[in-house]
Amino acid sequence: QQPVQSPQAVILREGEDAVINCSSSKALYSVHWYRQKHGEAPVFLMILLKGGEQKGHEKISASFNEKKQQSSLYLTASQLSYSGTYFCGTVPRLGSGGSNYKLTFGKGTLLTVNP
Amino acid sequence: NAGVMQNPRHLVRRRGQEARLRCSPMKGHSHVYWYRQLPEEGLKFMVYLQKENIIDESGMPKERFSAEFPKEGPSILRIQQVVRGDSAAYFCASSPTSGGYNEQFFGPGTRLTVL
Repeated sequence: QQPVQSPQAVILREGEDAVINCSSSKALYSVHWYRQKHGEAPVFLMILLKGGEQKGHEKISASFNEKKQQSSLYLTASQLSYSGTYFCGTVPRLGSGGSNYKLTFGKGTLLTVNP
Repeated sequence: NAGVMQNPRHLVRRRGQEARLRCSPMKGHSHVYWYRQLPEEGLKFMVYLQKENIIDESGMPKERFSAEFPKEGPSILRIQQVVRGDSAAYFCASSPTSGGYNEQFFGPGTRLTVL
């Protein structure tokens, strides 16, 4: 099943903070975060893995609650360049259904940062 | 190090024609994934290939769609006898190995329009 992202959209002024959430009904091995600007390729931001390991941009902050199968992406002191649609993609744990290579993406959260 | 390359970037076809989309993975990557994205939607997995092998095509329609990743040359997604509903952005991604531990790097996409 597709992970659920919230909110669907958020509008910020430059310098404000935002949190984007991603929730799955399956036990997860990893959560991947991407940002996509209109008409462009999704750009990798971060992977959060079961067990607490993280890989990604140093300036991006995120969390992964393994018990609740939820991840949150924290955008602090937002800049105009943060605007875009944020997608989470999930990889299930072995035995939870699905494959360990197939990313299932949420519908995205549209973030708009205004001056 | 060049990123994932896709061509063409835009493709217009009339109903009933064939569409061929090409993807060259990042250097050193032997795993390729194809995704389809409809407007205002997330990315939907279509197929996962390694060199000369289709590993998982569970997201690909059984009719009219096929994919390959030959020993030499790019991966190709072929859509035969296109219909208006095939209009979408098609992205490919690559990774050095499979597994939810690894980030997938996306190409710029091919935007297919069926008239």
